[in-house]
Amino acid sequence: DAKTTQPPSMDCAEGRAANLPCNHSTISGNEYVYWYRQIHSQGPQYIIHGLKNNETNEMASLIITEDRKSSTLILPHATLRDTAVYYCIVRNTGFQKLVFGTGTRLLVSP
Amino acid sequence: GAVVSQHPSWVICKSGTSVKIECRSLDFQATTMFWYRQFPKQSLMLMATSNEGSKATYEQGVEKDKFLINHASLTLSTLTVTSAHPEDSSFYICSAEPGQGARTQYFGPGTRLTVT
Repeated sequence: DAKTTQPPSMDCAEGRAANLPCNHSTISGNEYVYWYRQIHSQGPQYIIHGLKNNETNEMASLIITEDRKSSTLILPHATLRDTAVYYCIVRNTGFQKLVFGTGTRLLVSP
Repeated sequence: GAVVSQHPSWVICKSGTSVKIECRSLDFQATTMFWYRQFPKQSLMLMATSNEGSKATYEQGVEKDKFLINHASLTLSTLTVTSAHPEDSSFYICSAEPGQGARTQYFGPGTRLTVT
């Protein structure tokens, strides 16, 4: 079973920041938080991951609370192409399977 | 990021026939690959973990004799759906993880299987 809870859907205006929350209250000390997204009829795309510290890359920022029980994925300037299902997943070490929950369907509108 | 390809991207087959789907890591070696299945409007469900040079590990409820997995090299895993039936129609996706130290799985574009 997925260890994360996400809202089923969110809306965002094009050009604005999209903040996608994720609860992972049972996360253990050696588990990472991963974010993937899936655009319709495509394979999931890796976005970002982190353990404790906040992370930023060219796609997004990941903010992890100090107690690590929740996190937020931030798309700073959402575009129409960011419309997708976003999955928040926790996993402990490499070569381990990813368990996908239902994710958040983000709709970016003009 | 690393690139994973799948072939074919879509396939239509008749009930009772077998279909082979290939998953390749193009710019890295992968000792472990994963196969997922996704039905319409549902999330991805892991079917099996494919290990190079050894038998695959199947998730509970997945028939190993129906979904044959072969991981013959460090860049190729294949999934064969044997005696396909219409209920096997789905979106099949593979993923692979680069070598030691990397903690990121990269996914292929998926294969749409339709069994008529």
